[in-house]
Amino acid sequence: GQQLNQSPQSMFIQEGEDVSMNCTSSSIFNTWLWYKQDPGEGPVLLIALYKAGELTSNGRLTAQFGITRKDSFLNISASIPSDVGIYFCAGSPYSGAGSYQLTFGKGTKLSVIP
Amino acid sequence: NAGVTQTPKFRILKIGQSMTLQCTQDMNHNYMYWYRQDPGMGLKLIYYSVGAGITDKGEVPNGYNVSRSTTEDFPLRLELAAPSQTSVYFCASSPLVLAYEQYFGPGTRLTVT
Repeated sequence: GQQLNQSPQSMFIQEGEDVSMNCTSSSIFNTWLWYKQDPGEGPVLLIALYKAGELTSNGRLTAQFGITRKDSFLNISASIPSDVGIYFCAGSPYSGAGSYQLTFGKGTKLSVIP
Repeated sequence: NAGVTQTPKFRILKIGQSMTLQCTQDMNHNYMYWYRQDPGMGLKLIYYSVGAGITDKGEVPNGYNVSRSTTEDFPLRLELAAPSQTSVYFCASSPLVLAYEQYFGPGTRLTVT
């Protein structure tokens, strides 16, 4: 099946720093999504992207749909302690009704040092 | 709305036992899913359903069964539990439009010994 390579696997940052993570695929995706998972909880959708080159923000979070359609990026500005968690990218090669078939990356574990 | 609810929260099974993981959603979503999450790994799709009475296999269906008799409920059945089924199981649902927008339950942590 399709695989997503997500990097970095983990990162430790100081509170207030900006964070960047990315996700790459071996095949073209038509939908890219970013989820966050807090300890002991299920993932929560942060941002969804539909078009190549699209840049979308959600508060301090900004995500981009790569022009090649094979990658996506997530940036977090001015990190705070509650940003701690695991961030997953997910994608689908389908659009419209078939887009429910998601492939998930292995996650980036973010730790914030106060 | 409660969203997606899952029971139980934790369960320990002996090898060979069977159990059903319950999942209910109150958002009238068409699509429902079961995923498993192993340590350091992403989510793997076990089964999914596009509506009541319709189910299909995902990436890792072996050892599991599902049914969907109503829009709200999507139970996952484990027959003859094996240690390889030790994992955290998540149920999710999504609407017909924007089907990628999956809402996840809190998970069931299952240990098979």
